[in-house]
Amino acid sequence: QKEVEQNSGPLSVPEGAIASLNCTYSDRGSQSFFWYRQYSGKSPELIMFIYSNGDKEDGRFTAQLNKASQYVSLLIRDSQPSDSATYLCAVNTQYSSASKIIFGSGTRLSIRP
Amino acid sequence: DTGVSQDPRHKITKRGQNVTFRCDPISEHNRLYWYRQTLGQGPEFLTYFQNEAQLEKSRLLSDRFSAERPKGSFSTLEIQRTEQGDSAMYLCASSLAGTAGTKLYFGPGTRLTVL
Repeated sequence: QKEVEQNSGPLSVPEGAIASLNCTYSDRGSQSFFWYRQYSGKSPELIMFIYSNGDKEDGRFTAQLNKASQYVSLLIRDSQPSDSATYLCAVNTQYSSASKIIFGSGTRLSIRP
Repeated sequence: DTGVSQDPRHKITKRGQNVTFRCDPISEHNRLYWYRQTLGQGPEFLTYFQNEAQLEKSRLLSDRFSAERPKGSFSTLEIQRTEQGDSAMYLCASSLAGTAGTKLYFGPGTRLTVL
């Protein structure tokens, strides 16, 4: 079982609609959860992080965390063509003083005009 | 804040040769991570440092890979006796320990091609 799992997509969403991206993780000790966006040929950039159960909103983005189900999601409202990218879920697993951040394989999102 | 820099940006080498990459993190960041990414995959964790201490190394790495961070500043990643399977983008990232969210700032990457 992979530590962080995502559907690879591609996920195609019409412009203006809500895009929903999902991620599951295996380590129950995980403490922080992240969504990174990666445009083709570029490095990942952080768009959201969450560490408490529930929802966290930032502009058009909402991250949702359910630790009991080991599930993290990202909602993008009013999707724009510029949102077309690969979205990477990442999890911070922490053991004693060490802190390792593990990425999923990413979901490719395409916003169609 | 000049961001994370990596050198070289591209490296082409022949199988069996050794290569070394350099990463300069954001100056006040005390954590430094190395990842490897192949097409269609997410970044794969290789190793990470807090200051000069290497706190964890992926079990997936063979003994051909070694990383250092002398004096807790820049870091080098060396691959000995390169193989074609080592061809990938090597990403370096830095962060500030103790901050909520542990945001990683990535460099532009070094693309390695092994012929």
